[in-house]
Amino acid sequence: DGGITQSPKYLFRKEGQNVTLSCEQNLNHDAMYWYRQDPGQGLRLIYYSQIVNDFQKGDIAEGYSVSREKKESFPLTVTSAQKNPTAFYLCASSIAGGSNQPQHFGDGTRLSIL
Amino acid sequence: QQQVKQSPQSLIVQKGGISIINCAYENTAFDYFPWYQQFPGKGPALLIAIRPDVSEKKEGRFTISFNKSAKQFSLHIMDSQPGDSATYFCAAGNDMRFGAGTRLTVKP
Repeated sequence: DGGITQSPKYLFRKEGQNVTLSCEQNLNHDAMYWYRQDPGQGLRLIYYSQIVNDFQKGDIAEGYSVSREKKESFPLTVTSAQKNPTAFYLCASSIAGGSNQPQHFGDGTRLSIL
Repeated sequence: QQQVKQSPQSLIVQKGGISIINCAYENTAFDYFPWYQQFPGKGPALLIAIRPDVSEKKEGRFTISFNKSAKQFSLHIMDSQPGDSATYFCAAGNDMRFGAGTRLTVKP
């Protein structure tokens, strides 16, 4: 079955540590997205990529970094500069960037601070 | 930078009742308005979507009503069921800005 796989499902970070969240899709979609979900705040866009080797900052990119070296992969690194990283992180993809395209989501990674 | 405003934050409806969730957007260039449904511990899934060239779209018990002049769109869930209990998000925009979400509880 085609879909988006996020791993791990749960992740714990120590103070001062960088952690990387994995997102892989086999839908052959060009566009991929990372969102952060906090209670009562909905989904906030961190980064998005409309094509391989290109990505743009979303609304809350500070303290995060991404890469898009392969079409099917869009890993997110939560750096030590992100002072409040505890959240539910969601990866999504769509056929192409721009409007008129529904997004397909993974089942998320829950990041907590030790 | 809130481009999509969603209300109410939470909603409790009796089984068989109508659930109504509203969204308002700012940018008239938006041309795709989806609703997503999310269950606890899962990612959102597309429920229904509308384009601005129509004022209403119905799929089963779910209907989107769209008011272009008011820059508003709403989700109506007819004959609400306990299995509809979830969080619902509207979205809009080229890179998909989401509303803050509505937690729907349908009481049996």
